[in-house]
Amino acid sequence: QKEVEQDPGPLSVPEGAIVSLNCTYSNSAFQYFMWYRQYSRKGPELLMYTYSSGNKEDGRFTAQVDKSSKYISLFIRDSQPSDSATYLCAMSPSGSARQLTFGSGTQLTVLP
Amino acid sequence: DAGVTQSPTHLIKTRGQQVTLRCSPKSGHDTVSWYQQALGQGPQFIFQYYEEEERQRGNFPDRFSGHQFPNYSSELNVNALLLGDSALYLCASSRSGRPNEQFFGPGTRLTVL
Repeated sequence: QKEVEQDPGPLSVPEGAIVSLNCTYSNSAFQYFMWYRQYSRKGPELLMYTYSSGNKEDGRFTAQVDKSSKYISLFIRDSQPSDSATYLCAMSPSGSARQLTFGSGTQLTVLP
Repeated sequence: DAGVTQSPTHLIKTRGQQVTLRCSPKSGHDTVSWYQQALGQGPQFIFQYYEEEERQRGNFPDRFSGHQFPNYSSELNVNALLLGDSALYLCASSRSGRPNEQFFGPGTRLTVL
């Protein structure tokens, strides 16, 4: 079993829809949670960064962390065709350990 | 403000050869991490360099080695290339005070024939 599980999709939604992307994890030591967006043939771009449980909002993006369920989510409101990309969740433990453990990514297409 | 840069963009090698990939971190960043991303998968951590030393290593064989220079730039070396080493190699940089906020470069796509 992988430490981080992510539904690979693909996921297609109409423009303007609310998108929900999710990851589950098994390592209780994970304390930091990130969402990256990766366009085709590009490097991942950091979208959201959260510590421990709770919500964080940035524009059209909201990240949620539920450590009791080992479940994290990214919501995209008013989705746009330019949001079409692969979304990767990533996480790491606290302390000096700094390696990120990634999910396999969810491919999202927003249709105009 | 230049972001993370990597060179070369693409590389084609044959089995058994050796390859060196290069990375310049984002301005103000002193820590460099390397990741391997196979097609359709998330990036996998190879190792991280800080203060010119390897600080942490993922589950990769000794064929993978690296170096960090005094200006914080870094190299990834892979010896005795295998077909399975074909992947996108990503460099990420961060500040020592915020190690989990890692910013990625565009990657080097390595093809091993």
